[in-house]
Amino acid sequence: QVQLQESGPGLVKPSETLSLTCTVSGGSISSYYWSWIRQPPGKGLEWIGYIYYSGSTNYNPSLKSRVTISVDTSKNQFSLKLSSVTAADTAVYYCAHTFAVWGSGPYYFDYWGQGTLVTVSS
Amino acid sequence: DIVMTQSPDSLAVSLGERATINCKSSQSVLYSSNNKNYLAWYQQKPGQPPKLLIYWASTRESGVPDRFSGSGSGTDFTLTISSLQAEDVAVYYCQQYYSTLLFTFGPGTKVDIK
Repeated sequence: QVQLQESGPGLVKPSETLSLTCTVSGGSISSYYWSWIRQPPGKGLEWIGYIYYSGSTNYNPSLKSRVTISVDTSKNQFSLKLSSVTAADTAVYYCAHTFAVWGSGPYYFDYWGQGTLVTVSS
Repeated sequence: DIVMTQSPDSLAVSLGERATINCKSSQSVLYSSNNKNYLAWYQQKPGQPPKLLIYWASTRESGVPDRFSGSGSGTDFTLTISSLQAEDVAVYYCQQYYSTLLFTFGPGTKVDIK
């Protein structure tokens, strides 16, 4: 069974860049799609973007100018960078496997990491 | 963008009773070429990540109890818990994946015990 674990700083200063890594175990990252999703404290879920193992990406238009998602297949990891952060970016950040079948998708999120809280504050 | 709405915002149901959550999309998520509704349901308990319950609007994920069922088509969907158990207290979200350029979630429905 695929397991995901987020890692990275829990505190980021305003205007700086948030950087998180998701380590995948129990399966190879070299298949399908991998997403980042966030959840501000006490609020709902917001999809940030996904990456295909080949490196192609798709981002939420509301965040596109600030987001970069990359993959390192040799380490079985993918990463999120969010630049110019403000307090509004304070959230629990989840990484998730995004189910697809060969030639179609991505679709829904079937495996999730436990999430990591990132607080933006000086 | 496909906007997802849910109703009610919260509900309290007695143990063993039925809980019904509604989800509506701003445009149809039924893909005509395969007659599938591109909609999923998730359960989120406090301090935990969301858990996939239902996909294709009505297909139960492996290991999900059969008291959970999904129905609906086009723009209107329902998640039903046929006999509420204490462990079902959670927030439930619907999500559309019809638009793979922008996945969107509903705002969530909180389910409590009456």
